Amino acid sequence: QKEVEQNSGPLSVPEGAIASLNCTYSDRVSQSFFWYRQYSGKSPELIMSIYSNGDKEDGRFTAQLNKASQYVSLLIRDSQPSDSATYLCAVNMGGYSTLTFGKGTMLLVSP
Amino acid sequence: KAGVTQTPRYLIKTRGQQVTLSCSPISGHRSVSWYQQTPGQGLQFLFEYFSETQRNKGNFPGRFSGRQFSNSRSEMNVSTLELGDSALYLCASSLAGQGNEQFFGPGTRLTVL
Repeated sequence: QKEVEQNSGPLSVPEGAIASLNCTYSDRVSQSFFWYRQYSGKSPELIMSIYSNGDKEDGRFTAQLNKASQYVSLLIRDSQPSDSATYLCAVNMGGYSTLTFGKGTMLLVSP
Repeated sequence: KAGVTQTPRYLIKTRGQQVTLSCSPISGHRSVSWYQQTPGQGLQFLFEYFSETQRNKGNFPGRFSGRQFSNSRSEMNVSTLELGDSALYLCASSLAGQGNEQFFGPGTRLTVL
């Protein structure tokens, strides 16, 4: 069974802090990794994609990938209350465009 | 560029009925994937279509089916609805290749009574 695991949270951080979200996956040959943000009652919004080991930065967001450890993470710097949402980790495991999603981590940023 | 659109946004059906949901991908995107999202199971892959052909299918019963048209628009159908089919149905589009980023539509909220 191909799986993606995330802590369900909630992860609570104060405004301005760094939020760290983690994800592990079971399929060693996975090549493509994505982070989505989902606000309550809305659909998932793609915020980061990463394909190679190491860090990828985009504004306040940094994705980190370690294929040897089958681990991908998302760092959010200078967290804002508007970042409060569920963050979904998705891995391209099943071939073609199939994404396997984790259950998501709820992030709460308090003012 | 317009995003992924889905219609209808909300549906209420009764057990035993069937339903058809529609998805229009981002212009130029040829791959359309469908997902079901429930509080208990999270986001689960239903199927993916590319060039009018189903390329991949998730672990759902045969009551769930889909198709894609020559303009890349896609529909999914659920027959003989069950209470457990109540969910948010999401469509995502992407360029053709494996590993391409997928962009989601707003979803169709289906309630089965």
